[in-house]
Amino acid sequence: KQEVTQIPAALSVPEGENLVLNCSFTDSAIYNLQWFRQDPGKGLTSLLLIQSSQREQTSGRLNASLDKSSGRSTLYIAASQPGDSATYLCAAPNFGNEKLTFGTGTRLTIIP
Amino acid sequence: SQTIHQWPATLVQPVGSPLSLECTVEGTSNPNLYWYRQAAGRGLQLLFYSVGIGQISSEVPQNLSASRPQDRQFILSSKKLLLSDSGFYLCAWSTHTRPMYEQYFGPGTRLTVT
Repeated sequence: KQEVTQIPAALSVPEGENLVLNCSFTDSAIYNLQWFRQDPGKGLTSLLLIQSSQREQTSGRLNASLDKSSGRSTLYIAASQPGDSATYLCAAPNFGNEKLTFGTGTRLTIIP
Repeated sequence: SQTIHQWPATLVQPVGSPLSLECTVEGTSNPNLYWYRQAAGRGLQLLFYSVGIGQISSEVPQNLSASRPQDRQFILSSKKLLLSDSGFYLCAWSTHTRPMYEQYFGPGTRLTVT
């Protein structure tokens, strides 16, 4: 059974800093890995999806990496802004499975 | 482009009352559909998913049920709500084609059972 872990559970950094969020998974037989953002009281917004054959995916100030051999993915946020404050979740579907396994998320606070 | 709708946005219901939450998807056909619940301060819990009309898989035994009467409509129901049913309910859809199972979420329904 796939298990997805995100550490730390919460992170506070000053505005302007670069930061890395971590995601670990136990079963490397995944189609892809998806990163989401959730603002308080809102639904999840898809940020990036990395295919299992890819190593990296970039969108603006966001860069996600995937290392299946070590069971890890990272989300790099450059030049953080207060608007980046949110909870970030990673999730992965396993082969032959329509379901995503979600991590419990990292609550990010950017301090102005 | 594809959009996903959920309603109502918020709901306050007494214990023992029935529940019906609706989710519809536009701009795609034959999507996988999912219902999740997010309790306060907790992670996402998958409740039901559906790969086609009338095909429902239940993940957690409970007093909730789901139905898919049309290709792009997914309904979450209960005959009698419990206090423990309070939470944030999210509907999502995903593709059958590459990228496989990329999920897109609706805005959610905040349910408070009193």
